[in-house]
Amino acid sequence: AQSVTQLGSHVSVSEGALVLLRCNYSSSVPPYLFWYVQYPNQGLQLLLKYTTGATLVKGINGFEAEFKKSETSFHLTKPSAHMSDAAEYFCAVSPINTGFQKLVFGTGTRLLVSP
Amino acid sequence: GAVVSQHPSWVICKSGTSVKIECRSLDFQATTMFWYRQFPKQSLMLMATSNEGSKATYEQGVEKDKFLINHASLTLSTLTVTSAHPEDSSFYICSARDPSGGSDTQYFGPGTRLTVL
Repeated sequence: AQSVTQLGSHVSVSEGALVLLRCNYSSSVPPYLFWYVQYPNQGLQLLLKYTTGATLVKGINGFEAEFKKSETSFHLTKPSAHMSDAAEYFCAVSPINTGFQKLVFGTGTRLLVSP
Repeated sequence: GAVVSQHPSWVICKSGTSVKIECRSLDFQATTMFWYRQFPKQSLMLMATSNEGSKATYEQGVEKDKFLINHASLTLSTLTVTSAHPEDSSFYICSARDPSGGSDTQYFGPGTRLTVL
């Protein structure tokens, strides 16, 4: 079964520092890949997605992610963290064996931003 | 665009009662909606796929008689938790696929927090 691994349940950065949230998937056939952000007691907001084409994907709020097939990774980055970036981030995949219809989520990474 | 709403945002009920949660796509028609549950500090787990005009497809381990799903129109899906028990307390989140945006992206509602006493 398809799985998604997010290394680090918590990541702490200082305001202005680089943000790097890691995501690896297990699949011989690349799935569609997504990053979502969740603020407390709210639903999920799509940050960015990769389906085909350019492997470096730019999303909202200054985030971007790069699909690396050889590493089965889709890490999320942002050059300079803001206090407002503090939230829970979920990596998700949509496997080909579901016709790219369903989402499988990672366990999430809580981003903490200190002044 | 692509806004999904849920109602209610939170609900508290007594054990043994039933609770209905609504999920609406506000500015698009959604032939497919999804229902997830999320336990505290955990990830989302897909419960079922709701298809307009047909029966829902449940994931393995989800009791279809306990979690009744109805998708009667292209903008509304409902989840009814029947005979709720404290272990059903959770955060329930729906999502909908916007066909005009491609079939690969789900837009999520704000969630409903259910507490069963």
